[in-house]
Amino acid sequence: GESVGLHLPTLSVQEGDNSIINCAYSNSASDYFIWYKQESGKGPQFIIDIRSNMDKRQGQRVTVLLNKTVKHLSLQIAATQPGDSAVYFCAEILMNRDDKIIFGKGTRLHILP
Amino acid sequence: GAGVSQSPSNKVTEKGKDVELRCDPISGHTALYWYRQSLGQGLEFLIYFQGNSAPDKSGLPSDRFSAERTGGSVSTLTIQRTQQEDSAVYLCASSLFGGGTDTQYFGPGTRLTVL
Repeated sequence: GESVGLHLPTLSVQEGDNSIINCAYSNSASDYFIWYKQESGKGPQFIIDIRSNMDKRQGQRVTVLLNKTVKHLSLQIAATQPGDSAVYFCAEILMNRDDKIIFGKGTRLHILP
Repeated sequence: GAGVSQSPSNKVTEKGKDVELRCDPISGHTALYWYRQSLGQGLEFLIYFQGNSAPDKSGLPSDRFSAERTGGSVSTLTIQRTQQEDSAVYLCASSLFGGGTDTQYFGPGTRLTVL
């Protein structure tokens, strides 16, 4: 819900501009990554995923970039819209082990009119 | 149903009372997950069901927490003798097969407040 977004880093972006949300993941052995979007009062929603053998993957208005050297993941949202306002967080998974998902803490994206 | 549903949406309880949270997964999904989301924190994994069995209970924070799943469908998360630190949003998710790469679909969560 709304209150879980308090105390998170916030990125404010003008409507129509592009936004970049960053995530540092913890385990260099993680081989699958997901970005989730969580709107106020709702559960997380899958946006896009990427496997560790790729460094870029594009979806509709979203692009995920993976830099394994520095364990960094980013989500680019093009031409932001009011509906993009939400908390975004990344998740990392070690496949073929326990497949446990580790979630990042999230970034609040605020779209300015 | 169309998506994962959870009930109640909000629960306020007094310290020391027991609470039961319910999750209805997407029909046909064999895997079901419970997570906890505290203020300003990421999702904390609690327990995972494959069918009615729970191969991974490693995330349950104490023996006050338990969960069950019946008929491969509905799951209940029970917290006994609630404490103020149990206050959080409890999220349930389901996926078709399980495994880290299988897309999890989340419910709206139950906001638990322990006074």
